[in-house]
Amino acid sequence: DAGVTQSPTHLIKTRGQHVTLRCSPISGHKSVSWYQQVLGQGPQFIFQYYEKEERGRGNFPDRFSARQFPNYSSELNVNALLLGDSALYLCASIRSLAAYEQYFGPGTRLTVT
Amino acid sequence: GENVEQHPSTLSVQEGDSAVIKCTYSDSASNYFPWYKQELGKGPQLIIDIRSNVGEKKDQRIAVTLNKTAKHFSLHITETQPEDSAVYFCAGSSNAGGTSYGKLTFGQGTILTVHP
Repeated sequence: DAGVTQSPTHLIKTRGQHVTLRCSPISGHKSVSWYQQVLGQGPQFIFQYYEKEERGRGNFPDRFSARQFPNYSSELNVNALLLGDSALYLCASIRSLAAYEQYFGPGTRLTVT
Repeated sequence: GENVEQHPSTLSVQEGDSAVIKCTYSDSASNYFPWYKQELGKGPQLIIDIRSNVGEKKDQRIAVTLNKTAKHFSLHITETQPEDSAVYFCAGSSNAGGTSYGKLTFGQGTILTVHP
């Protein structure tokens, strides 16, 4: 079985642009959580989605949005990019809403110049 | 909200020695505590976890202990090997109020270096 996949691997954007990051969870998993990991820090929770509905939101501005598709894949969108948005964006795959374990993908490295 | 503190920030040991990383949490409702290992250029890998109804859990060379009263939990790695070198993160989560375990609050990480 394939693990969690994320695309693209790396991305360079300019301030003010917008970006879309993609995630496919493990087959059979119905929920994804998104995290931002700034260099040298632990990941910070952005969103959780389950069955296409938002089930949790972290302390991030409205420039951050996400959605989940019927095949359980997910997109994270960030508008009006700031230099401070430069980070590794991680997607975690979760089997169900009652499940404990989260399995992370390799992440997308976003650099904003 | 939950706050997770992790110590030490760096840890250097000789191959074969034991390594201990400690975390404290602030929210008494937290009841699930996973540990992740992150190697350079990779996403975090779940290595062990513990739920609040258990005080200790062991998996080969790795063990985790939980003290709910003191609100702290620890990762113990015995017989360390060079391939154990990585950044280790503790985290906490809660399903209080009918929420899920989908939100993890992470510690700041510990850079573990195992010298051959």
